[in-house]
Parts: sequence; C-alpha cells; structure tokens
Amino acid sequence: DAGITQSPRHKVTETGTPVTLRCHQTENHRYMYWYRQDPGHGLRLIHYSYGVKDTDKGEVSDGYSVSRSKTEDFLLTLESATSSQTSVYFCAIKTQGAITDTQYFGPGTRLTVL
Amino acid sequence: TQLLEQSPQFLSIQEGENLTVYCNSSSVFSSLQWYRQEPGEGPVLLVTVVTGGEVKKLKRLTFQFGDARKDSSLHITAAQPGDTGLYLCAGAPNSGGSNYKLTFGKGTLLTVNP
Repeated sequence: DAGITQSPRHKVTETGTPVTLRCHQTENHRYMYWYRQDPGHGLRLIHYSYGVKDTDKGEVSDGYSVSRSKTEDFLLTLESATSSQTSVYFCAIKTQGAITDTQYFGPGTRLTVL
Repeated sequence: TQLLEQSPQFLSIQEGENLTVYCNSSSVFSSLQWYRQEPGEGPVLLVTVVTGGEVKKLKRLTFQFGDARKDSSLHITAAQPGDTGLYLCAGAPNSGGSNYKLTFGKGTLLTVNP
C-alpha cells in the first residue's frame, strides 16, 4: 500500500471554516500529490510537491493551499471551505522505477462542507 | 493539455460475460497505468504498460498499449462479481522532470451481476 495514510478519513465542517487534511508517507518518496474526486469529473489534480518546500499548482488549485515542511507530510488546507469543496480527497506518491514511474494512492478523506 | 477519453462510462453485465474498456487520446504517453477502485477506497494500481504494442495479462484481465502509445484497452474474460468497481486509466507524460503529472480518464464503472 506504499505506506500512505490520510487523516482525518471523514470530516464534516461548515462553510467558511478552515480545514486541513494531512497525508503521511513512510517511504521517503520525493513526489506527493493531492487530488479530488467527484462524480462526472474523475480525479483532478489540486496541488503537488516535488520536494520539501517545493510545490506547484494542479488544474483545480483555486481555494486550496499546500505545505510540505518535511518529506513525510503533505498538508492540504482549505482556507475558507465552501460547499463546492465537498468531495473525496486522495493523496498519492510517485515511485521511481527502472523503466517508468508509478503513482500509488492513499485511502482518501471524505469531506462534507455544509 | 492532454486528455484521455475513457469508454464506456458505465457497464453492467452478467457474470461470465466478456468486456472491453477503452482509453483513447490524441497525445502520446510514455506509459499508461490502469487502476481499479472500490467504493470508499483509493485507486489500486493494476498494471503499467510502457512499450507500444505491449500486452500484459493479469489472470482474466488483458491490457494492451497501442502501437503509437496513444491508446489502451482492458479486456476482462468471464467477468465475476468481484470484478465490480471503477476502472481508471492514467497516462504518464513524455517529459519528466519536476512537473510529472498523470492525465486521468474519467473512469468506467463496471457492475457484474451474479
């Protein structure tokens, strides 16, 4: 399972409140990713990191920020949650193989914004 | 922007039937990955195909990468209820570097009825 955990696994919050989701990995991978998954849209990349303090935006980054102060943790923050951010959020890591690279996913966090 | 069109979006079949899921693009990918996702869980990697024309078999699942590395297919023989799930294809970029990002199809939701 590539040693990825996400916390919390479920969260219900109210519009306007800040929310932070945590992704933790145990295998020292350099690349980490945050996706959201919604019906009809599939998996969409929010932000990703290619090293400590090195992050970049994905296709749906508005309203989200990230931080990576150490290799094992990648945090996703919703500064002021909105109902449109109700979704299932997945963290992923990338492994480097001899021939190709591969992404492995965490178990997900289901976020409901009321 | 690279796009991956996955078809069909939904598929409901009887146990024992065969099926094929398609993943098509106008872009060339360095590799293509297939994932399977069950409700409440993260996507789980099934296979990665790297070489144009490559065929990989995983028990009753056969994966093929197109000669031009723009498309792929997943064929399941004698489907079983345990094959039920969301099947996702994802293409890896030709260029590497710090901006490595997968392009995901929207998925095929397969239901195999007993």
